[in-house]
Amino acid sequence: DTAVSQTPKYLVTQMGNDKSIKCEQNLGHDTMYWYKQDSKKFLKIMFSYNNKELIINETVPNRFSPKSPDKAHLNLHINSLELGDSAVYFCASSQDTGGAGGYTFGSGTRLTVV
Amino acid sequence: QKEVEQNSGPLSVPEGAIASLNCTYSDRGSQSFFWYRQYSGKSPELIMSIYSNGDKEDGRFTAQLNKASQYVSLLIRDSQPSDSATYLCAPSAITGFQKLVFGTGTRLLVSP
Repeated sequence: DTAVSQTPKYLVTQMGNDKSIKCEQNLGHDTMYWYKQDSKKFLKIMFSYNNKELIINETVPNRFSPKSPDKAHLNLHINSLELGDSAVYFCASSQDTGGAGGYTFGSGTRLTVV
Repeated sequence: QKEVEQNSGPLSVPEGAIASLNCTYSDRGSQSFFWYRQYSGKSPELIMSIYSNGDKEDGRFTAQLNKASQYVSLLIRDSQPSDSATYLCAPSAITGFQKLVFGTGTRLLVSP
């Protein structure tokens, strides 16, 4: 039923570890995004994929690597986790790259690095 | 200058009053504008979109857009305690591929 689903919902891990977050949408949208929301609630885009192709790559450390096996899935792998990576990561999708209908967000993954 | 500016609040209004939330943006080429509501610990939820100058009404919500002034606002009539949340303004930037650029949000508190 869920339009955009992310797993896991919570992730607590130690510095230096590698972790992945998975996202799936069943809306038939072509475009998917990763956003990061920090402790001050600022929501900032990280990546965007359109039909499996990377189209937006903001200034993000290369420890973050997105992968889109098909247009319904967008995963985020993070290497060598740092304390500053602690945040809520939201996956989102839109009908196309124009985003005319707005974005639909997943429920978020709260990542805590200790 | 930030790309999208909103007063962080909290904006406190009594139940039944009109809440007015404001947003200014820097990208003059922005064509689409969205308001999202985010409850604490939840994901952003789209509540309004506006594309043309003027007003757009949807139930208790009215979005207002003035592209010349690079200003967009959201009015909530008959505010309810359940409207207490953070409201995020998101113009769609058109430099390169379009993307939503979010403000830091205005926290609204509606007291019974």
